[in-house]
This record gives sequence, structure tokens and C-alpha cells, in this order.
Amino acid sequence: DTGVSQDPRHKITKRGQNVTFRCDPISEHNRLYWYRQTLGQGPEFLTYFQNEAQLEKSRLLSDRFSAERPKGSFSTLEIQRTEQGDSAMYLCASSNYRGGNTEAFFGQGTRLTVV
Amino acid sequence: GQNIDQPTEMTATEGAIVQINCTYQTSGFNGLFWYQQHAGEAPTFLSYNVLDGLEEKGRFSSFLSRSKGYSYLLLKELQMKDSASYLCAAWGNQAGTALIFGKGTTLSVSS
Repeated sequence: DTGVSQDPRHKITKRGQNVTFRCDPISEHNRLYWYRQTLGQGPEFLTYFQNEAQLEKSRLLSDRFSAERPKGSFSTLEIQRTEQGDSAMYLCASSNYRGGNTEAFFGQGTRLTVV
Repeated sequence: GQNIDQPTEMTATEGAIVQINCTYQTSGFNGLFWYQQHAGEAPTFLSYNVLDGLEEKGRFSSFLSRSKGYSYLLLKELQMKDSASYLCAAWGNQAGTALIFGKGTTLSVSS
């Protein structure tokens, strides 16, 4: 396994368009997290899944954002009607939760630019 | 509430030692992490402390005091490649639902 992978690495879109990002976690990891990071800031938590269940969503996650992990493996994050303020790096991470917390491993991120 | 504070920027010279401090407030506690992030790259895991004390790993060490809500990352024998952002993070509550990050400390190492 080569780690967490995200696709695409870069996305430029026009304001108002919809975009979808994909994340493939480390195969044995049951937890998958989405974060957003802007320049000079730490990653901000958006949402996370344990297997296929979405267990928590941040208040940062507006109605335009939706995430799925239908089979408990890969996940998608969709942003509808993109706005310039959505421009950021979207990071995915995964961890292996077995009743105790271990480190989360991050993918390389998808950099979104809304023009 | 949940809050993680760390200095915004630090500078140091090659070969020196630098200590990056972090204070945290979380509704529960289930471990404190340090990540390194180079510009344009993903964060990479450095260390994890769940008990009080110092954890040493090569040139990097991390310290935790749960009673004080305080941690630090100690970098020894600094190298130019250590120039990066260092992120302090903690799980949000006892169930560890989400890793909450500080804003990061940008370390610049000069020759």
C-alpha cells in the first residue's frame, strides 16, 4: 500500500460549478477524515467516517458540501455551486481506530482554485 | 471548547536547538500529536504523546504535561531541511472523533 492518495491534485473551476474530489485511504484503515487548509493556517476539520458511516460534520461544512464513503473504502467530497472562498487545499487522512487512537496519515491533498 | 495555540513563526540557525511550544484545551484528551508540513506538501507524522513526559526520536523529541495542557517539540542539530511548518494536534474528545490542529509554527532555519 502506498499510503493515502487523492485525486485530482489540482483543480481549477469557475465560480458556480460543482467539483468532486476522491480519496483512497490506506487499505486497512477504518477511519477517513476530510480537512481544508488555507495558506498560513492549520488543517480545519470538515468531516469524518468510520467505515461507511459519517459520524461527525463540522459547522464549517455548509449545505453545499457533501461527503460519502459508500463501501467503507474510498470517499468523495463534493462541493456544489463553488464560491471563491472555497479555494483551499482539501486534505484527506485515514487512521486505524481500534478503541484507541493512532496517528492519522495524510494524502497529498487536492488544491482547489475557484476563479 | 477546543483550542490549540502555538507561536506563528520561529527562526533558528543550523546546528542549533529549537523548542516549539503548544498549549491545548480540549473537551477530553486522548493524545497529542506533532506533524511536520513542508510548503505545498501534506502533513507528515512526527510524534505522539499520550502520557506525561518526554518521547525521544532521533533529533526530534516531544514533551507532554497533561495537567498543564502543554506540549513542546524539541528539534536538535537543526538542518536547513527542517524549515517547515510544525503542527500541534489533539483529538477533540475522549472518543477521538477528529484531530484538531493548531495554526502551525513556521520554522525558518538559516545557515
